[in-house]
Amino acid sequence: QKEVEQNSGPLSVPEGAIASLNCTYSDRGSQSFFWYRQYSGKSPELIMSIYSNGDKEDGRFTAQLNKASQYVSLLIRDSQPSDSATYLCAVNWARGGATNKLIFGTGTLLAVQP
Amino acid sequence: KAGVTQTPRYLIKTRGQQVTLSCSPISGHRSVSWYQQTPGQGLQFLFEYFSETQRNKGNFPGRFSGRQFSNSRSEMNVSTLELGDSALYLCASSRDLYEQYFGPGTRLTVT
Repeated sequence: QKEVEQNSGPLSVPEGAIASLNCTYSDRGSQSFFWYRQYSGKSPELIMSIYSNGDKEDGRFTAQLNKASQYVSLLIRDSQPSDSATYLCAVNWARGGATNKLIFGTGTLLAVQP
Repeated sequence: KAGVTQTPRYLIKTRGQQVTLSCSPISGHRSVSWYQQTPGQGLQFLFEYFSETQRNKGNFPGRFSGRQFSNSRSEMNVSTLELGDSALYLCASSRDLYEQYFGPGTRLTVT
């Protein structure tokens, strides 16, 4: 089992729709969860962080965390063509204590169709 | 506030050579982490430095090393380069156990 798993996609959604990106992780001790957006040829850009169970909203983005199910998701409302990118789920590696070591999923490629 | 900066942005080296990459974190950030990104393996953690001490290390050979200076700037070194070391090397900074912000990366090509 991979430590952080994401569907590689591509996930294709029409402009204006809701894009739903999912991620599961294996380390039950993880406490910090992040979503990064990476455009082709660029470095990852942090778009959301979540630490507690439930939902966290920031503009068009909502992160959802369920530690019991070891599941974290990202919803993008009113998707725009400019949202087309690879979305990386990252989880802090907590074995041995809290760390800044992030384990990344392979990323989900999102394509928003105009 | 200035972001994370990395130099150089692009580098071409030949097998067997060594290379040093530099990273300047966001002002006030004391933690610097390094990652390697390749199409086949994705983003992989190399190591993290905090207050000039290596706090975590990933599963990379000893050819990969790093250090951090008192001003939090960090360098990573790869010795005896191999073709498989061709990758995008990313530096990320954070205040401590918080969000990490990435620099633009250094694209290393080994021929």
